[in-house]
Amino acid sequence: GENVEQHPSTLSVQEGDSAVIKCTYSDSASNYFPWYKQELGKRPQLIIDIRSNVGEKKDQRIAVTLNKTAKHFSLHITETQPEDSAVYFCAAGGPIQGAQKLVFGQGTRLTINP
Amino acid sequence: DTAVSQTPKYLVTQMGNDKSIKCEQNLGHDTMYWYKQDSKKFLKIMFSYNNKELIINETVPNRFSPKSPDKAHLNLHINSLELGDSAVYFCASSTHNGRGAYEQYFGPGTRLTVT
Repeated sequence: GENVEQHPSTLSVQEGDSAVIKCTYSDSASNYFPWYKQELGKRPQLIIDIRSNVGEKKDQRIAVTLNKTAKHFSLHITETQPEDSAVYFCAAGGPIQGAQKLVFGQGTRLTINP
Repeated sequence: DTAVSQTPKYLVTQMGNDKSIKCEQNLGHDTMYWYKQDSKKFLKIMFSYNNKELIINETVPNRFSPKSPDKAHLNLHINSLELGDSAVYFCASSTHNGRGAYEQYFGPGTRLTVT
């Protein structure tokens, strides 16, 4: 089955700097790679996703890159702000009979220092 | 107007008891899921139903039994609760995003504490 590894487990950056979180996956059949942000005590929220036929996607200060050959994908946050502080999860998976079976990484606790 | 809702938000109970968690979504999605998030924040899928049919059934003790009375509801019943069942349980629902994938939207979670 799929296995997703996420690094680093904690990341602390100065406000205004960039943050990068990296994930690797094992199953070449996975074709969908979402990223979720979870604030303390809240639900995971989808912030960006990418499919395997796309190498890069950007949404304002957030971008995701995917290297299918190497089986790794990354989240890039530029111009970080205090409200970016949260736990970020990557996930990988594929469709299965109308559902999406996602395997999540271990999470990265991102702290933005003012 | 909450999209995916769960009840209760908190559940404290003793070992050996049986409890249920309910989930409802008003997004019109066909697929619903249960996830478990443990104390280390690890998020793991447990079950998924598509149009009331069980699609995903991960390696979960058979003390856990999901039930989907209709597309908008997915409940989780847990028998003979154990200390290790303490976790946050998230319900989610998904829809096809038109780009070949099913985006999942999570409920607020139910924090279960077994004493």
